[in-house]
Amino acid sequence: GENVEQHPSTLSVQEGDSAVIKCTYSDSASNYFPWYKQELGKRPQLIIDIRSNVGEKKDQRIAVTLNKTAKHFSLHITETQPEDSAVYFCAASLSGGYQKVTFGTGTKLQVIP
Amino acid sequence: DGGITQSPKYLFRKEGQNVTLSCEQNLNHDAMYWYRQDPGQGLRLIYYSQIVNDFQKGDIAEGYSVSREKKESFPLTVTSAQKNPTAFYLCASSPIYTGIGELFFGEGSRLTVL
Repeated sequence: GENVEQHPSTLSVQEGDSAVIKCTYSDSASNYFPWYKQELGKRPQLIIDIRSNVGEKKDQRIAVTLNKTAKHFSLHITETQPEDSAVYFCAASLSGGYQKVTFGTGTKLQVIP
Repeated sequence: DGGITQSPKYLFRKEGQNVTLSCEQNLNHDAMYWYRQDPGQGLRLIYYSQIVNDFQKGDIAEGYSVSREKKESFPLTVTSAQKNPTAFYLCASSPIYTGIGELFFGEGSRLTVL
């Protein structure tokens, strides 16, 4: 089955700096890679996703890159703000969310004002 | 108001007791999922269902059971066979065949075994 590894487990950055979270997956058949943000005491919510036919996707201050050959994908947050502080999860699945979705172990991001 | 409703939010159980967590959605989604969240271990899939009266085991199904008698409902039973049931449980749903891969999560149920 699919295995998703995520690093680092914790990340502290100064406000305004960039943050990068990296994930690797094992199943070359996986073709959908979402990222979820979970604020303290709240439900996870999708912030960005990418499909295997795309190498990069941006949405304002966040971007995701995908390297299919190396089987890794990364989340980039620029100009970090205190409200970016949360736990971020990467995930991988086949053909979208209605298939089995495997999550990484999460990265706790702290943005220091 | 559309969404996923989980209940109860907090639940305490004595060892040896079964407990059922409720999950209801009014998003008209075909697929529903149960995840367990433990500190440092991310979200681990317990069971998922793509259609009424059918469901598949996830990675950690032992000690759990589910049913899918209605499209809107996907209850999870934590049985006495689950050796370490204290955890935060998240239910989710997603559409099928729309190209939307997003999982929509409920607010979770925190189970504590005394």
